[in-house]
Amino acid sequence: QQPVQSPQAVILREGEDAVINCSSSKALYSVHWYRQKHGEAPVFLMILLKGGEQKGHEKISASFNEKKQQSSLYLTASQLSYSGTYFCGTEINDYKLSFGAGTTVTVRA
Amino acid sequence: EPEVTQTPSHQVTQMGQEVILRCVPISNHLYFYWYRQILGQKVEFLVSFYNNEISEKSEIFDDQFSVERPDGSNFTLKIRSTKLEDSAMYFCARQGIAGANVLTFGAGSRLTVL
Repeated sequence: QQPVQSPQAVILREGEDAVINCSSSKALYSVHWYRQKHGEAPVFLMILLKGGEQKGHEKISASFNEKKQQSSLYLTASQLSYSGTYFCGTEINDYKLSFGAGTTVTVRA
Repeated sequence: EPEVTQTPSHQVTQMGQEVILRCVPISNHLYFYWYRQILGQKVEFLVSFYNNEISEKSEIFDDQFSVERPDGSNFTLKIRSTKLEDSAMYFCARQGIAGANVLTFGAGSRLTVL
């Protein structure tokens, strides 16, 4: 039931773009994206509901392909503050959010 | 001001001892969750709690774990007989936006079992 994320890690220079993918073998109710800085709790970025929508948060956006049970997170013109571990969370029912293994993003000056 | 306060921030205990981790949500919410994160690994679902009852639990949440909301405010996770592999960061979370399972996490309680 846990989603699969790729890649495991990505290193960027400031201003570069990156894509993080998340896929599930189960039909999804929604997909969530969270970012965790080292030593801190995960922080909610955005939620995508069924319907193939795309959302944005600053220069971070995401898409959700309901048919393929896939979501992608797009980091555009990355900033140093984007560094952290990004987790996708998939919601199959109302009571449980399952997280992927995470993608560690390092943005260097 | 944090919306979810967890105590203690760090607890060191001996194997076999009982541990109680506490979570105090500021607002009056019905949905609560406990998640665990072993150092450097993913955030793992333990249990969800709705209206003072367990809604769902994972295979990790075995008989040594229990959750309670003893006074209608504090939300506790008890580990009856700790094992070395219970060492992890434990996050309490509450559901945010009504109708969507958005989670607001507390800062976490780091448990070290020696």
